[in-house]
Amino acid sequence: DTEVTQTPKHLVMGMTNKKSLKCEQHMGHRAMYWYKQKAKKPPELMFVYSYEKLSINESVPSRFSPECPNSSLLNLHLHALQPEDSALYLCASSPRTGGQGSPLHFGNGTRLTVT
Amino acid sequence: AQKVTQAQTEISVVEKEDVTLDCVYETRDTTYYLFWYKQPPSGELVFLIRRNSFDEQNEISGRYSWNFQKSTSSFNFTITASQVVDSAVYFCALSEADAGGTSYGKLTFGQGTILTVHP
Repeated sequence: DTEVTQTPKHLVMGMTNKKSLKCEQHMGHRAMYWYKQKAKKPPELMFVYSYEKLSINESVPSRFSPECPNSSLLNLHLHALQPEDSALYLCASSPRTGGQGSPLHFGNGTRLTVT
Repeated sequence: AQKVTQAQTEISVVEKEDVTLDCVYETRDTTYYLFWYKQPPSGELVFLIRRNSFDEQNEISGRYSWNFQKSTSSFNFTITASQVVDSAVYFCALSEADAGGTSYGKLTFGQGTILTVHP
């Protein structure tokens, strides 16, 4: 079983909807990440949180809004998405963003379809 | 800028065959970390191995082995006696670091290799 839990597993939303993706980890990790993965493509980094502060935003459109309420929880708020935003959204965590190249622990992802 | 290339888009083998997945990387840093991840159909990325740039020792873990060669900027992955459960997408990834070995926190993935093992 994965130690990073993502909900929901599947989400279908219209372009005018507002929804949120949730990610939770209880490994004591202080870095959390959002990745976007289109079909047959590698994951692409969206956001990095370090000690609950946003440290990296890879020029993601503002219709994606991340939030890190505490060290265990990471949300991704979605609003006015486009069909091309349909993808697998992966959450990951690591002990910290620096450090000696600690591997990322990934969740199972949320498969998002925008209609 | 860092770059990871996995030239093999898809590989198909029959069970019990050995298979090698190639990975070539580019980086201007002298300190970096290399990873292999497995992504089964369920979607989760499963960490397999990490190597730092100063450790060229090859590693074997059960049926898995990794060959790291800085001279050719390659970090290849071999599965011996493949099994149907090995069917997945495999990603090679690179994380650059400063001279002290502290990672910058950004992981660059290759395009992935789809491995299908037939019974």
